Amino acid sequence: QSVLTQPPWASATPGQTVTISCSGSSSNIGSHTVNWYLHLPGTAPRLLIYSNTQRPSGVPDRFSGSKSGPSASLAISGLQSEDEADYYCAAWDDSLNGWVFGGGTKLTVL
Amino acid sequence: EVQLVESGGGLAQIGGSLGLSCAASGFTFDHFAVSWVRQAPGKGLEWVSIISGAGLSTYYADSVKGRFTISRDNYRNTMYLQMNSLRAEDAAVYYCAKSRSSSWFSAFDMWGQGTLVTVSS
Repeated sequence: QSVLTQPPWASATPGQTVTISCSGSSSNIGSHTVNWYLHLPGTAPRLLIYSNTQRPSGVPDRFSGSKSGPSASLAISGLQSEDEADYYCAAWDDSLNGWVFGGGTKLTVL
Repeated sequence: EVQLVESGGGLAQIGGSLGLSCAASGFTFDHFAVSWVRQAPGKGLEWVSIISGAGLSTYYADSVKGRFTISRDNYRNTMYLQMNSLRAEDAAVYYCAKSRSSSWFSAFDMWGQGTLVTVSS
């Protein structure tokens, strides 16, 4: 059971917008910024969003993040087949004195 | 080019030990905190441990506290993870990850390709 809660799966058709939620608590998302990672099995995870809403250079503006209280979300617009991957949220947790990840959301582009 | 390369993975016995290394290049190593993150087969990402840029402060996940030790050699631009008293549930791909800054709270902006640790009886 992960400290941060994400839906296990999400799906949408090309061109649509999909939103992935991440629910935490006051000790993690409620107190710290949220980061989002993309992970294809067998490859290195990649940072998509940091500090709730910021995109590293090279990440398309189709990816956007938001946060409200103890929850956050990742939106992917103009969905493309290459967006099929596992997506993880993460935040520092003050109670655990460490990083916590969501369980991951497997995105399927239909 | 910023690069992280893990090594040292392999087969270990339950109750045994294994040491991992992460060689860094392309950035000023001692300016950044670095972490180990693992992914067990069929599971999600799990943070394991983090060490400050100077190597003076460390944190561990409860699942490895007292068994794993993180360290770094800033002259060799290398981070280490010594894993003792290995359990079956420690079997995973272990990734090293660089923080965006020296802060504990900054995102991991670069990851290595991972090294596989297998634990058997």
